[in-house]
Amino acid sequence: AQSVAQPEDQVNVAEGNPLTVKCTYSVSGNPYLFWYVQYPNRGLQFLLKYITGDNLVKGSYGFEAEFNKSQTSFHLKKPSALVSDSALYFCAVINMDSSYKLIFGSGTRLLVRP
Amino acid sequence: NAGVTQTPKFQVLKTGQSMTLQCAQDMNHNSMYWYRQDPGMGLRLIYYSASEGTTDKGEVPNGYNVSRLNKREFSLRLESAAPSQTSVYFCASRPSTEAFFGQGTRLTVV
Repeated sequence: AQSVAQPEDQVNVAEGNPLTVKCTYSVSGNPYLFWYVQYPNRGLQFLLKYITGDNLVKGSYGFEAEFNKSQTSFHLKKPSALVSDSALYFCAVINMDSSYKLIFGSGTRLLVRP
Repeated sequence: NAGVTQTPKFQVLKTGQSMTLQCAQDMNHNSMYWYRQDPGMGLRLIYYSASEGTTDKGEVPNGYNVSRLNKREFSLRLESAAPSQTSVYFCASRPSTEAFFGQGTRLTVV
């Protein structure tokens, strides 16, 4: 079965410090992986994706993510957090070998304190 | 371009009433999706449509039906609303890679 796990409900970090939001996935074929961000009372905004190629992908607002096939992980990172990064972050996966089903994790709330 | 448009934005229903949530996209995307978002549960896939004329069940399809009558539109129907269906509903469309989301419909069933 296809699934995504975000083990942390909330991540707290001080402004200027690096941040990591964790994501692990399970699919039977080749995954496409995504990160989205949601600000209060808004829809989801696309941040970045892994399709193929370089395991380190860069996205919007200085975010990046590292695809690790052996650990089936796709952690979101940023070298220096901003207070404005505080939001709800979702990891998602699709198995492009056999399905168009796009599955999301439960979300991680990032709180960046000044 | 409007992107993905959902109507209505807010709705209050009484238990047992029916309604249809509308979703339209103007980006010529093949795949479309309906999700519900509940606190602590993330986004759960209700139904999806890989292409015009096809639909498939997602993670939580019970109590819902969908229609993909053309490439632009993908509607979600609640035949007999229940309080457990109180949620924020998101529609999305996807070409070949990332999905694009509507602004959501906040549905309350009393």
